[in-house]
Amino acid sequence: DGGITQSPKYLFRKEGQNVTLSCEQNLNHDAMYWYRQDPGQGLRLIYYSQIVNDFQKGDIAEGYSVSREKKESFPLTVTSAQKNPTAFYLCASRARDRGGYGYTFGSGTRLTVV
Amino acid sequence: SQQGEEDPQALSIQEGENATMNCSYKTSINNLQWYRQNSGRGLVHLILIRSNEREKHSGRLRVTLDTSKKSSSLLITASRAADTASYFCAALYSGGGADGLTFGKGTHLIIQP
Repeated sequence: DGGITQSPKYLFRKEGQNVTLSCEQNLNHDAMYWYRQDPGQGLRLIYYSQIVNDFQKGDIAEGYSVSREKKESFPLTVTSAQKNPTAFYLCASRARDRGGYGYTFGSGTRLTVV
Repeated sequence: SQQGEEDPQALSIQEGENATMNCSYKTSINNLQWYRQNSGRGLVHLILIRSNEREKHSGRLRVTLDTSKKSSSLLITASRAADTASYFCAALYSGGGADGLTFGKGTHLIIQP
């Protein structure tokens, strides 16, 4: 079945470390997104990519970086510059027609700073 | 921020009753979408309503859109215990600028058996 796979499900990071969250999709979707969710809150957009080798900052990009070398993959790196990285991270993708389709979400990665 | 708001923040009803959640947004939209999230999981797309539509149905779900009031509502009829989850509205804003949905903070729905 097609879908989005996020890994790992749980991730622990020490202060000052960079960590990379994986997001892979086999839906042949062009656009991919990273969102952050804090407890009791909605989702906030970190980065998005509409095509391979191109990506744009969302509302809260500081302290994060991404790459889009392949259509299927959109990894997110949480750098040491992100001061409050503990959160639930969700990856999503959509087909080309932004006006007609909902997004498909992965099951998320819960990142905790220890 | 263009983040919208859901109302109420939490809702608890008896199984079999109808549940209504409301959502407001800020500026012109391309479409508005509703998602469901079970605790600790990803979001599942429920229904999308375009800016030129006023009402849409999918099974026990009914969504309305009032662009003059910049608001939408989600009605779940004949609720079941399995409907317990958080529900989010998400607006896809029109025009140029950043891509990506703008989410509200969600309504936490509890269906009591």
